[in-house]
Amino acid sequence: SAVISQKPSRDICQRGTSLTIQCQVDSQVTMMFWYRQQPGQSLTLIATANQGSEATYESGFVIDKFPISRPNLTFSTLTVSNMSPEDSSIYLCSAVRSSYEQYFGPGTRLTVT
Amino acid sequence: QKEVEQNSGPLSVPEGAIASLNCTYSDRVSQSFFWYRQYSGKSPELIMSIYSNGDKEDGRFTAQLNKASQYVSLLIRDSQPSDSATYLCAVRRSGGGTSYGKLTFGQGTILTVHP
Repeated sequence: SAVISQKPSRDICQRGTSLTIQCQVDSQVTMMFWYRQQPGQSLTLIATANQGSEATYESGFVIDKFPISRPNLTFSTLTVSNMSPEDSSIYLCSAVRSSYEQYFGPGTRLTVT
Repeated sequence: QKEVEQNSGPLSVPEGAIASLNCTYSDRVSQSFFWYRQYSGKSPELIMSIYSNGDKEDGRFTAQLNKASQYVSLLIRDSQPSDSATYLCAVRRSGGGTSYGKLTFGQGTILTVHP
């Protein structure tokens, strides 16, 4: 498995501001992803964080709203930009090593007021 | 039709019973299937992966896969109150390239094991 940490664990932000979430994995991984989990819902994939290049976004998610960086094989950031209350959610990063098994970080609980 | 569907739940079983969680998927060429457990307020935890038809056992957990029927299940034997959680079925998307490694999740089934 992979040990994944996220910062911050939770935050309360004002409408119109931005928050950057950091994800750190304990060793090199092949793939990193960012998900959103809204209250009472399942996980929705936001994007694949590609090392050294632009992220690959899923339908309904755009780079201007959710810019992602992955400067190396163990670290990625997700920024939630120009936030609105609808962005209140749990944001999760995940990582895949050589197998297809995917492991999740502890999540960042975001509340937008 | 949703890509990954789970029995709607919630599912309630008595302690010591077998809990049966079911999942169907629509992409016939899917190859990898996963079960995650998520406690309230926590992130999903991988508990089983299965890639071949048949059964795979790990302790009290058994995953069953039937690719012809596009069906995967999770059995929990001797259920304990600590098994009470939401169980998520996930299917790895077929194809390479930009689909590599991506998972599609079902909506989850809430399991409650009562003493």
